[in-house]
Amino acid sequence: NAGVTQTPKFQVLKTGQSMTLQCAQDMNHEYMSWYRQDPGMGLRLIHYSVGAGITDQGEVPNGYNVSRSTTEDFPLRLLSAAPSQTSVYFCASSYSRGSDTEAFFGQGTRLTVV
Amino acid sequence: GESVGLHLPTLSVQEGDNSIINCAYSNSASDYFIWYKQESGKGPQFIIDIRSNMDKRQGQRVTVLLNKTVKHLSLQIAATQPGDSAVYFCAEGGSSYKLIFGSGTRLLVRP
Repeated sequence: NAGVTQTPKFQVLKTGQSMTLQCAQDMNHEYMSWYRQDPGMGLRLIHYSVGAGITDQGEVPNGYNVSRSTTEDFPLRLLSAAPSQTSVYFCASSYSRGSDTEAFFGQGTRLTVV
Repeated sequence: GESVGLHLPTLSVQEGDNSIINCAYSNSASDYFIWYKQESGKGPQFIIDIRSNMDKRQGQRVTVLLNKTVKHLSLQIAATQPGDSAVYFCAEGGSSYKLIFGSGTRLLVRP
């Protein structure tokens, strides 16, 4: 199993450009989430999904869109990149079975907006 | 808003000693607490978790303690090894897909 796969690993964008960060998981987990991590800080939740076709906003959703057309994929779209979106982005997938639950994170996408 | 924070930004320990990393949380309604390890250039890696109906849980070389009275969470690492050097985050939430992270503690293990 590959786990959670994020692409690309690195990206440089100009202000105003758009792009999509890809996230795929092969563990058949129902839940997926996107976080951003700024230098010296913990992760902050951008958007999450509790199943295909269902998404919701997290703590810092502005400037980002998501969709969940399949269980496996959860892309994050930046419609008009801004320097404030320079960050490392992590995708996570998780499951919950009774009291047993765990989140698995991808390796991250380091995004720089100039 | 509700937040999770850490007391010590950097912890330096001698190899073989025990490490204790602390975390304070403010949302008394949180049901689920997790410790993650993050090495440079990698995503967070699950270490151990605990539910609010427990006050202690042990794993391999790690123990998590939860004190709901003072809203405090700690991670104890026994016989710390060089491979334990990393940034450690506590996180809280009602579910695994909607977590609030603390700002992290860097653990440095001296040989």
